[in-house]
Amino acid sequence: RKEVEQDPGPFNVPEGATVAFNCTYSNSASQSFFWYRQDCRKEPKLLMSVYSSGNEDGRFTAQLNRASQYISLLIRDSKLSDSATYLCVVIPGGGADGLTFGKGTHLIIQP
Amino acid sequence: DGGITQSPKYLFRKEGQNVTLSCEQNLNHDAMYWYRQDPGQGLRLIYYSQIVNDFQKGDIAEGYSVSREKKESFPLTVTSAQKNPTAFYLCASSTRDRGDYGYTFGSGTRLTVV
Repeated sequence: RKEVEQDPGPFNVPEGATVAFNCTYSNSASQSFFWYRQDCRKEPKLLMSVYSSGNEDGRFTAQLNRASQYISLLIRDSKLSDSATYLCVVIPGGGADGLTFGKGTHLIIQP
Repeated sequence: DGGITQSPKYLFRKEGQNVTLSCEQNLNHDAMYWYRQDPGQGLRLIYYSQIVNDFQKGDIAEGYSVSREKKESFPLTVTSAQKNPTAFYLCASSTRDRGDYGYTFGSGTRLTVV
């Protein structure tokens, strides 16, 4: 199974700042891409899907670069409640055989 | 409301014992999955099932077994052959709708070997 790589952090960012992190994937046949958020000792929850055209949901923007095989997540005007681990997730091929997770990027928003 | 229920939330096992983790969903999803997460690590796929009475090994299936006798249920047995079973176990289910895969996770079972 191909890998998904992320900078583990932690990223320490002051409240109100903009933060961005990337994720690279090695399987060029990967079909679908997601960002999940995981709070400490909880299950991952879908933050947003990532499309080739890029997509935005409030303060969050996700982008996909298929040529360079990376996806990005941008968080604007960061809030204390954004502190979490952000998991980059890829569906490698047919999709029904599970997700491939990165190890996550730990984000700490400081007051 | 539909969802996935994992039980128990916390489980303690003595070395050499088998334990079974429960996963039930009422989402009418065909596919179900078991993942394991270790501290500071991403989720790794243990087993998955795309249809009743069928399942496939994931990346780390050794020391685990599953069954899929009903669409709603996908229990995971952690056997004594699993050398390092202490971890956070997550069950998920999915459906394919209009080309998008909707994955739903249970709240997890934290297994500790004592």
